[in-house]
Amino acid sequence: AIQMTQSPSSLSASVGDRVTITCRASQGIKTDVAWYQQKPGKAPKLLIYAASSLQSGVPSRFSGSGSGTDFTLTISSLQPEDFATYYCLQDYIYPYTFGQGTKLEIK
Amino acid sequence: QVQLVESGGGVVQPGRSLRLSCAASGFTFSSYAIHWVRQAPGKGLEWVSVISYDGSNEYYADSVKGRFTISRDNSKNTLYLQMNSLRAEDTAVYYCARNRYSGIGEIDYWGRGNLVTVSS
Repeated sequence: AIQMTQSPSSLSASVGDRVTITCRASQGIKTDVAWYQQKPGKAPKLLIYAASSLQSGVPSRFSGSGSGTDFTLTISSLQPEDFATYYCLQDYIYPYTFGQGTKLEIK
Repeated sequence: QVQLVESGGGVVQPGRSLRLSCAASGFTFSSYAIHWVRQAPGKGLEWVSVISYDGSNEYYADSVKGRFTISRDNSKNTLYLQMNSLRAEDTAVYYCARNRYSGIGEIDYWGRGNLVTVSS
């Protein structure tokens, strides 16, 4: 199975900061990566698909990039509602695999 | 709007069986692949299984292969997960989730989840 190595596992930041989360795939997966946001007790929410496409209704401060094995999720200016846990997902081949998650906390 | 509602969870003893259901509405259920994804308490997301739009293809994580079976009834807009030989490590919130396409692709909508606890 493809391994998705996500970093960092946790991150402290302030409102207005720019933050970047990365995922590295154990083999090339073209641009078949999605990013999700999850808040405590809630289901995940799709933010980015196909590595860089913004899901409808998601604020433009979220962006994604990458191809092959290296992918990033960037939040350009953190808002209070962005403090949550973020996951990458490879949807290139079954079995799908998620990254371990990044918990974004308020500094 | 797209809705996915899981049911059937609860407390079950190790080695026993349980069947989860997921009722879908707000979209043409028979046109989409559907997944099960789980999350152990305090842990990350783990993909479990997927079934194609017409039920002809199924895929499983190694951790559940041979013990879990995914199925669907398109006439009832319902997805199922039959879980046999349950283990303590199967304790998790189980989400059903829609694939954006009939084939492989990203997951776009999720249910609220249903807790399964495997404990004696």
